[in-house]
Amino acid sequence: DIQLTQSPSFLSASVGDRVTITCRASQGISSYLAWYQQKPGRAPKLLIYAASTLQSGVPSRFSGSGSGTEFTLTISSLQPEDSATYYCQQLNSYPITFGQGTRLEIK
Amino acid sequence: QLQLQESGPGLVKPSETLSLTCSVTGGSITTGSHYWGWIRQPPGKGLEWIASIHYSGSTFYSPSLKSRVTISVDTSKNQFSLKVSSVTAADTAVYYCARTVYSSLDPWGQGTLVTVSS
Repeated sequence: DIQLTQSPSFLSASVGDRVTITCRASQGISSYLAWYQQKPGRAPKLLIYAASTLQSGVPSRFSGSGSGTEFTLTISSLQPEDSATYYCQQLNSYPITFGQGTRLEIK
Repeated sequence: QLQLQESGPGLVKPSETLSLTCSVTGGSITTGSHYWGWIRQPPGKGLEWIASIHYSGSTFYSPSLKSRVTISVDTSKNQFSLKVSSVTAADTAVYYCARTVYSSLDPWGQGTLVTVSS
């Protein structure tokens, strides 16, 4: 199985800050990586697919980059509604795996 | 607009079989090369993929759950289903269904909480 390791596990930042979350894969996964946002009591919401493609309707302050084994999710200017847990996910090969999650708190 | 909706019992006894169905509306489950899958999330924990199926019957299973899980599809009803046998408290989770597209999962159902308890 391909393991995904996210860092940090917890992040506290202020409105307007630029924040970056990293996802590292245990082996190369090309660009087969997605990012999700999950708010309490809600299903995960797709933000980014194919490592860097913004899902329709997602604000442009979200961006993704990387390929191979190292990927990043960046929020360019943090907004209050961005408080959530963020997960990366790979489907270079089955089984589908997820990172452990990064909880983002707004100060 | 494609929508997915999970349904099934919210309470299952230990050692019994958990059965869930995902109903797909706003589109056909037989369209394209999409796989349709199940993911679960124990309370307060992260996401765990369980299984995926193509309308042709091709399946993939999580190695850690494979011995207890069966995924199936009913194209006539535009639904797919999950069975998990011999459940324990560790199977208590919110269960989501989702479509696989561009190696990602979208959309997701709203999720259904299944509690394993006597």
